[in-house]
Amino acid sequence: IAGITQAPTSQILAAGRRMTLRCTQDMRHNAMYWYRQDLGLGLRLIHYSNTAGTTGKGEVPDGYSVSRANTDDFPLTLASAVPSQTSVYFCASSRAGGGTDTQYFGPGTRLTVL
Amino acid sequence: GQNIDQPTEMTATEGAIVQINCTYQTSGFNGLFWYQQHAGEAPTFLSYNVLDGLEEKGRFSSFLSRSKGYSYLLLKELQMKDSASYLCAVLDSNYQLIWGAGTKLIIKP
Repeated sequence: IAGITQAPTSQILAAGRRMTLRCTQDMRHNAMYWYRQDLGLGLRLIHYSNTAGTTGKGEVPDGYSVSRANTDDFPLTLASAVPSQTSVYFCASSRAGGGTDTQYFGPGTRLTVL
Repeated sequence: GQNIDQPTEMTATEGAIVQINCTYQTSGFNGLFWYQQHAGEAPTFLSYNVLDGLEEKGRFSSFLSRSKGYSYLLLKELQMKDSASYLCAVLDSNYQLIWGAGTKLIIKP
């Protein structure tokens, strides 16, 4: 079944540890996105990639890094986790970048940083 | 700053009609999206409006007034499965999506 997968589903992490959230899509979409969702707030864009080999910063990029080595994968790395990074993380993709195309979301990763 | 306002929570009865409002102040406008998000799940696309007026899609309709910075999502013949959060998002002048916090809709039998 075509779509987006994320791993892990959930994770508890000690502060200061490094963590990579994985995201893979098989729809051959050019654009991919990472969001965090916190209670009472809207989805906030962390990083995005409009095509393989390029990435850009979103609204809340500090403490996070991404890479886009190929079309399908878009991992998000927390170099040294802090408790404020406790959140639900959603990866999304769209056919093209620029925002007008529908974004399709993965199932999310629930991350707790202690 | 950029701002999207939606009611935090609404309650409606099965079989009834509910209107969820969204007002926005953004730097530019290139369209407005509505997404549905069931608890613990991913958001899924409902509608996209870029021109003024009403767009109907089955039991769901979405309305846009660009001059008023206003949109609503209309849900008819409510079903229990419509219990979810409804997210409004605006595409700004930089083609970045600005998301509202969402409206949690509770359907009662």
